[in-house]
Parts: sequence; C-alpha cells; structure tokens
Amino acid sequence: ETGVTQTPRHLVMGMTNKKSLKCEQHLGHNAMYWYKQSAKKPLELMFVYSLEERVENNSVPSRFSPECPNSSHLFLHLHTLQPEDSALYLCASSRQDRGANYGYTFGSGTRLTVV
Amino acid sequence: AQSVAQPEDQVNVAEGNPLTVKCTYSVSGNPYLFWYVQYPNRGLQFLLKYITGDNLVKGSYGFEAEFNKSQTSFHLKKPSALVSDSALYFCAVTTNSGYSTLTFGKGTMLLVSP
Repeated sequence: ETGVTQTPRHLVMGMTNKKSLKCEQHLGHNAMYWYKQSAKKPLELMFVYSLEERVENNSVPSRFSPECPNSSHLFLHLHTLQPEDSALYLCASSRQDRGANYGYTFGSGTRLTVV
Repeated sequence: AQSVAQPEDQVNVAEGNPLTVKCTYSVSGNPYLFWYVQYPNRGLQFLLKYITGDNLVKGSYGFEAEFNKSQTSFHLKKPSALVSDSALYFCAVTTNSGYSTLTFGKGTMLLVSP
C-alpha cells in the first residue's frame, strides 16, 4: 500500500448513472490530484486541490465534478458519462512547501467502464 | 512552461543486460526530476528522484538515474535487467519556483525478455 487508497478498484456504469470515486490519503500531504489515463494517451491532469482549494481545472467536462472536503479526502462525482470516459482514474497526493512539489504518491486507480 | 520528452515508446532488452530508459526535460528554474513505474492496472509507483546534491541518484529495485544539467537529461538505468522489470516507466519534472505540478512524459514501455 502506498498510503493513498482509491475505491472502488473497478466500476461499470451506464451513461445515465451517477457514481462517485473516492480517494483517501494519510500521509499528511496538503495537495491532491485527479488524473485520467486512457489507452495509448499521455496522463491527463484533471483537477488539483491545494489546501482544500481547487487550484487547477484543465478544461474538464462538467459531467466530472470534484470535491475535497478536507486535506485527506478527495472525490470525483460522475454523471451522464460517455463511453469515451472509460479509463483508469488515478488519484495522487503530494506535499507542497512554499511552492516546491516533492513528488506524488499515487493510488492504485479506479478502472471505469462506461456502457 | 515545463516539458518532458521520452523519445522511445518501447525499449527491449534481454534479461541480465544493462538497460537505459531516456528522458530529457525543459524547465525554467531548478528542476526536480522523478521516475515512476506502472504495472498493468495499477497506479504509478515512485522509483527515485533528484532534488539537489549528487547527480547520480539511486532508487528502488536497483534502478539509478543520472542528472545531467548540460544535456538536460535524467536517464534511468539498471546494470542487469530482470524479466520482472517489464512495465511502463514515466519520467516527470517540476521546479522549485512558484506553485507547480508534475509534468509527465508519455511513458516508455520496457520489455525484458528471458
């Protein structure tokens, strides 16, 4: 275990469903991230939270909605997804100190399939 | 802006032979450099990092990387490859100036044959 836990590990959902992905870290980190990894594509940074504030949103469709209720938890709420949203969704956390980033710790990911 | 280039989509090496996975970077300011490994359907696992100090960095599973400032490179190396090293390897860079996230390369698949 890396210290970053993602649930569920696998999720199959219909295009009209609503579901949420959960990420939890107990490393004392103060920044959390959502990445999307699709086959044969580079890692896509979706959202960044630093000190529980969203600081980056990389033109992600509104059918993805992040939530960071505290520094240890991060959610990704999903609704009315499309088949092309099927991917591995990775959560990561890091320590940011005066702007310096000392590297990420990743969770194992949630494999999402939209049918 | 910061960027990472991993010029090889795939590297093939025989077990027992040395391996090198290439990475070059571009940043404004001092670079912080990282290597991660990903096994199928898993998250990325940290291998090693360069922040400051000795240019040769040693990491997990016998891997090492050399920071070369003049060539802006941070190649990953291992003296003797194992079949179990077969995986997807990512190089990443950030900087110590201002708020920053990691920028990842597109990844290099390493295949070690028995």
